[in-house]
Amino acid sequence: QLQLQESGPGLVKPSETLSLTCTVSGGSISSSSYYWGWIRQPPGKGLEWIGSIIYSGSTFYNPSLMSRVTISVDTSKNQFSLKLSSVTAADTAVYYCARKNTMIVDYWGQGTLVTVSS
Amino acid sequence: EIVLTQSPGTLSLSPGERATLSCRASQSVSSSYLAWYQQKPGQAPRLLIYGASSRATGIPDRFSGSGSGTDFTLTISRLEPEDFAVYYCQQYGSSPETFGQGTKVEIK
Repeated sequence: QLQLQESGPGLVKPSETLSLTCTVSGGSISSSSYYWGWIRQPPGKGLEWIGSIIYSGSTFYNPSLMSRVTISVDTSKNQFSLKLSSVTAADTAVYYCARKNTMIVDYWGQGTLVTVSS
Repeated sequence: EIVLTQSPGTLSLSPGERATLSCRASQSVSSSYLAWYQQKPGQAPRLLIYGASSRATGIPDRFSGSGSGTDFTLTISRLEPEDFAVYYCQQYGSSPETFGQGTKVEIK
């Protein structure tokens, strides 16, 4: 059974960079069939797609966040990562990592809350 | 980007009743690339429907999806206690992928 697990700091200061890692177990990240992505959800609000990556390193980002987002992949560790720079309180959210299978998000991590506060 | 508007915001129903949730897109969703997710408090969303009408693996047949173009519907034929949750639609045919704001199905 595929599992995804987010990890990283739960508290980030304003103007700093948010960094999260998603570890994939029960399956290989090195498959041309899947994209691996990040989605976030501010407390009590809806879902926002951040971006995605395939094992070769090709990425797709939401234009609204593109200037601040970097998603990378480490196939040797079966992990992919998110960096979001110059964060503000508006970036406070639960961040989910997920797998896209033929464009559909079929597996999600449990999510991790990141709070932006000094 | 395609804006998805879900209605109603909240649906108050009793177990056993039928639930009809709407998702309207600001422009046509290509190839009916429309999905529905269920989310319960403190949990990640769970895929219910993809391609507008195909049920995901393990999803009971009381869940059904329909629609095309700009108008889509999720129907729960008879609500079970575990179905009370928030439901989101998502279009994945155009970049960026976008989600609706959600419909909460609550116990009346």
